[in-house]
Amino acid sequence: AQSVTQPDIHITVSEGASLELRCNYSYGATPYLFWYVQSPGQGLQLLLKYFSGDTLVQGIKGFEAEFKRSQSSFNLRKPSVHWSDAAEYFCAVGYYNNNDMRFGAGTRLTVKP
Amino acid sequence: NAGVMQNPRHLVRRRGQEARLRCSPMKGHSHVYWYRQLPEEGLKFMVYLQKENIIDESGMPKERFSAEFPKEGPSILRIQQVVRGDSAAYFCASSPGSTNTGELFFGEGSRLTVL
Repeated sequence: AQSVTQPDIHITVSEGASLELRCNYSYGATPYLFWYVQSPGQGLQLLLKYFSGDTLVQGIKGFEAEFKRSQSSFNLRKPSVHWSDAAEYFCAVGYYNNNDMRFGAGTRLTVKP
Repeated sequence: NAGVMQNPRHLVRRRGQEARLRCSPMKGHSHVYWYRQLPEEGLKFMVYLQKENIIDESGMPKERFSAEFPKEGPSILRIQQVVRGDSAAYFCASSPGSTNTGELFFGEGSRLTVL
């Protein structure tokens, strides 16, 4: 069965520190991979996506993610976190139909001053 | 350039009442998706609709829940005889096409509280 796992429910980092949010998936074929961010009381905004090609993808707000097929992972990274990055982050996996998109349970990011 | 519009943003119902949640997709989008988000959980797919058609309702509970996307007007998610377990945030998303575009554009959600 297809699934998406975000092992970390809550992460706290200091402002200016680097960040890595983990995402693992279980899928029968090469998936489409996404990271979304949700600020409190808001909807989800797409940070970046991977369909094919270069396994390191760049997104908005200075985020990047790397697809590693051998590890079934698509971890999100940012070299230097800003206080405004505090939010909930969702990894999502899709196949060729959007209605098959599955979301992880989310990782809540807290940024310390 | 309005995004996906959902209303109401907050809805309070007593057990047994009906809840209606509305979603207007982005301009030019003809595909609508509804997701439910429970506390401490991710988004769960409920239903995927195109104008006047339900394409995939595999995530919809079999009873009390229904969805429509009429030719004119917003998509509506209807929950009859609500129970406390229906309390959640319901998100609508839209896309211009059903395949290979990848990105879903989300509304800000409708938060249902059942007393």
